[in-house]
Amino acid sequence: EAGVVQSPRYKIIEKKQPVAFWCNPISGHNTLYWYRQNLGQGPELLIRYENEEAVDDSQLPKDRFSAERLKGVDSTLKIQPAELGDSAVYLCASSEGGTGGTEAFFGQGTRLTVV
Amino acid sequence: GQNIDQPTEMTATEGAIVQINCTYQTSGFNGLFWYQQHAGEAPTFLSYNVLDGLEEKGRFSSFLSRSKGYSYLLLKELQMKDSASYLCATTNDYKLSFGAGTTVTVRA
Repeated sequence: EAGVVQSPRYKIIEKKQPVAFWCNPISGHNTLYWYRQNLGQGPELLIRYENEEAVDDSQLPKDRFSAERLKGVDSTLKIQPAELGDSAVYLCASSEGGTGGTEAFFGQGTRLTVV
Repeated sequence: GQNIDQPTEMTATEGAIVQINCTYQTSGFNGLFWYQQHAGEAPTFLSYNVLDGLEEKGRFSSFLSRSKGYSYLLLKELQMKDSASYLCATTNDYKLSFGAGTTVTVRA
């Protein structure tokens, strides 16, 4: 069975440019997460979806970040415009339900460098 | 909110044992996960504790004390491939909150 698939793996953009990341979760997983991981830090939650509904986006910087999960499967995360401080690894994860007792499976992430 | 503390780095010799401690203060608690993350790769699941006590899985064991807000991950018979970052994460039903991770370096 395929795991969580993310693309692209790497992205280098100039500041003020837009960028988008794509995630395909594990089939049947209703819960999808976007995390941001800075170098030497643990992942920090940006947004959580239950099917197509964003149920926790309190940590998402809404002035420049947006996300969608149409049809409750694939998801995209967009940054517009990007800033130097957005350089990080963006991880997508999915789980069958909430993480109360089920593990979250992570994709390999997109490493974003803003120059 | 969540406050999770774990050591930044640990070094051990191949074949030895290493214990990674994690302390946490949370507004809600539904369990504690340990994840392993090799450089440039995705975190992968190691263990989950929801009740007090020790969970053993091969060379890896994880312990939880809810009253003390404390967990540890025990790595036995260390191998070179165990060099990685180990992330402690608490969950309150739907949200995983991670510590900064402990980088373990295994030396020959």
